[in-house]
Amino acid sequence: QKEVEQDPGPLSVPEGAIVSLNCTYSNSAFQYFMWYRQYSRKGPELLMYTYSSGNKEDGRFTAQVDKSSKYISLFIRDSQPSDSATYLCAMSDSNQFYFGTGTSLTVIP
Amino acid sequence: GAVVSQHPSWVICKSGTSVKIECRSLDFQATTMFWYRQFPKQSLMLMATSNEGSKATYEQGVEKDKFLINHASLTLSTLTVTSAHPEDSSFYICSAETAGEETQYFGPGTRLLVL
Repeated sequence: QKEVEQDPGPLSVPEGAIVSLNCTYSNSAFQYFMWYRQYSRKGPELLMYTYSSGNKEDGRFTAQVDKSSKYISLFIRDSQPSDSATYLCAMSDSNQFYFGTGTSLTVIP
Repeated sequence: GAVVSQHPSWVICKSGTSVKIECRSLDFQATTMFWYRQFPKQSLMLMATSNEGSKATYEQGVEKDKFLINHASLTLSTLTVTSAHPEDSSFYICSAETAGEETQYFGPGTRLLVL
């Protein structure tokens, strides 16, 4: 079993839709959770960073961590064509980072 | 804050030559730097982890003599692809981590094409 599981998609939504991206994990020692956005031919850009459980909101983006279910989510409200990218989840137990495989998202105008 | 730069952004070289890629943390001190390789439409593949002033730790299957990593200062790490071959063509991305923050900040990547 992989440490982090992420559906690669691709995911296509119409502009304005709410997007839900998810990752599951197996290691209960993970304490730090991140979401990165990667545009084609660019390096990943940190979007959200959460420590332990709970929600964090930043503009149209909301990150949720449910440690009891070992499940993290990224919600994008009012999605825009500029949100079209690959979204990577990542998590850390202070010793090592683990990345999901990334979910490819396309927002159709 | 937390900006990481890479240079060059793209490079084309002949087979058999060596290529050096620089990774710099511009506004913070990077205690640890990571080097990744990424093939088209695939996820990041960690190649090695380096701490300032010490030897890099390579992932299984990554040839340390081919991919030389130097982390000479808290703001600079270099990856040298020695005797490059066409199969080394890829997108190389570095990231940096600073003490007290459990997250990585990525550079913009370097696209390498070996002819």
